[in-house]
Amino acid sequence: DAKTTQPTSMDCAEGRAANLPCNHSTISGNEYVYWYRQIHSQGPQYIIHGLKNNETNEMASLIITEDRKSSTLILPHATLRDTAVYYCIVRVAIKAAGNKLTFGGGTRVLVKP
Amino acid sequence: EAGVVQSPRYKIIEKKQPVAFWCNPISGHNTLYWYRQNLGQGPELLIRYENEEAVDDSQLPKDRFSAERLKGVDSTLKIQPAELGDSAVYLCASSAGTGWYEQYFGPGTRLTVT
Repeated sequence: DAKTTQPTSMDCAEGRAANLPCNHSTISGNEYVYWYRQIHSQGPQYIIHGLKNNETNEMASLIITEDRKSSTLILPHATLRDTAVYYCIVRVAIKAAGNKLTFGGGTRVLVKP
Repeated sequence: EAGVVQSPRYKIIEKKQPVAFWCNPISGHNTLYWYRQNLGQGPELLIRYENEEAVDDSQLPKDRFSAERLKGVDSTLKIQPAELGDSAVYLCASSAGTGWYEQYFGPGTRLTVT
């Protein structure tokens, strides 16, 4: 699976949009971008995933650049409960790959009032 | 719908003692995973089950770690004997299958070995 690079930490203001970048310059054509987050003392939580089109769900939006070498997770209106470590993971989403998630260090996001 | 259940949530043991963690996945999820998360790091996969078969245990330290999922539902992860370096959070996750299916994680068991 391709390696990802994320900022170690970032702060954002409550009520504002939070834009979390992820670099995955070695991504292959059949690899998806997944985002998970981990709130303190909880297990990781799935947020969203995409291949090349932008995706949106009730939690967030995922913007993937045309060359697929980077992506941005957008939390449209950050709340204090969004304070967490956010992991960007790139992996092949086929049965033979076994659904393995390789977590990096993630971005520690602190939402401030 | 109930999520992934793990017990105990916390465990403190002395080194060289045995310890076991239990996980009950989401109903109907045939794929189950055990991860270990060291302080300040992301989770690392230890073992993956598809039904009752361990299909990926390449990262499981087999000299002291063992796992089972006898009926293809709940699972137990055991360490015997525990070492100081085993202190970590042990996470269980499940998914409806492999491929694109997302994984759902339990709250984890925080193990402290003294």
